[in-house]
Formats: sequence, structure tokens, C-alpha cells
Amino acid sequence: EPEVTQTPSHQVTQMGQEVILRCVPISNHLYFYWYRQILGQKVEFLVSFYNNEISEKSEIFDDQFSVERPDGSNFTLKIRSTKLEDSAMYFCASSESRFATADTQYFGPGTRLTVL
Amino acid sequence: GEDVEQSLFLSVREGDSSVINCTYTDSSSTYLYWYKQEPGAGLQLLTYIFSNMDMKQDQRLTVLLNKKDKHLSLRIADTQTGDSAIYFCAEIPPGAGSYQLTFGKGTKLSVIP
Repeated sequence: EPEVTQTPSHQVTQMGQEVILRCVPISNHLYFYWYRQILGQKVEFLVSFYNNEISEKSEIFDDQFSVERPDGSNFTLKIRSTKLEDSAMYFCASSESRFATADTQYFGPGTRLTVL
Repeated sequence: GEDVEQSLFLSVREGDSSVINCTYTDSSSTYLYWYKQEPGAGLQLLTYIFSNMDMKQDQRLTVLLNKKDKHLSLRIADTQTGDSAIYFCAEIPPGAGSYQLTFGKGTKLSVIP
């Protein structure tokens, strides 16, 4: 069964450093998303992406964040200068269409980011 | 605005039924979802319900929707130890171009053998 994959599973970085989190969405999907979950808190939407541009972004997704689809398979989230409060589990998701249906979004296993 | 609330913990004995509850505040939401997260894994879509339905059954899972009270529940019949996980209620709030899922904090289900 096709699935969303994410690498690395755990990333440790120093405050102020840049990190890139990688995702490989399901191959025939066209819409891509990043969510994050700070420990003990809700899963929060960050950004959605379609046709090589951002469709929607939340207030969390400020200038320190960027997304890119550098090739036909990868979808990346970059944090330019990490802060302690960026420590969280980051989930990538993809969907075939942008219409809310039962199989709207499939999630990857997540990357745990720890900022020291 | 939109907000999804769930109780944080539920403990049941193996073989009993589990009922996980969720309340949401945006009555215009048309799609409501239940996701499951096992330890170390991603979010797995379990089931969903459209707002024009009151109930949906899928094998051991039963979803009940009370739109008047904005209450959603997930019942797991004959709960097994493999059902131990965190269960998230989620909605996609209505709005032009809004396809972002809004999640509750999740309910941690512990199944006692």
C-alpha cells in the first residue's frame, strides 16, 4: 500500500541552525501539507502546497519557514534559524485532491525535531 | 472559529467497548474524521462521517454524530490490546479554500488485558 515517508525520523540541532525536513508524498497525489505537534499539544496545520506554490499557511508559518518541491518526488520543509520553541513532531501529509473526502490526507510517520 | 475538544485519557478492559468523545464548535463543518496514532507512528485515518449522516458503522467501529450538540463519538466494540493508541478527532472547517485539518488534543486509549 502506498505511504508517505519522512526523513529523518529524529533531528537534533542547535538553536539558530537551519534544518530541512524531507517528505516523499504518495506518487499520484497533488496536494501536500505540513503539520506539527508540540509535545502534549494539538496537531497544528502549518502549510498546504499545490502546483509549486503555497495554497494556505497558518500564523505559525512565518518567514523562518519555507517549503519546496525540488523534484518530482520530494517535498521539504526548511526552518532557517531554529528556535527552542520549534521543537516538535513534524508531520507531512498528501492528498489526491483538494476536496474534503474520506481519503483527503494521508500522513507520514513524522520527524521529531529537537532544538537545543 | 473552530476548536475541537476531547478528553485526554480513557482506560478500558480488553473485550469491553470503548467510547471516545469529541465536541466541536463549528457547526458548519461538513466532514469529521477520526485518526489513530500508535506509538512512534504517523496519523492513520480510521473513519470519517459526513454531516448529513447520524451514524456510520465500519466493522468494530461506530461513529455517532449529534449535530445539534456538536458532539462526535467513536465506539470501538470488543476492544483489543492492539487498539491502544491516541485517537484524534478532526474537522475541516468550512471556508473558501480551507482544507486544513483542525485536530483535537487526542484521547489516549489504554486497554487493560
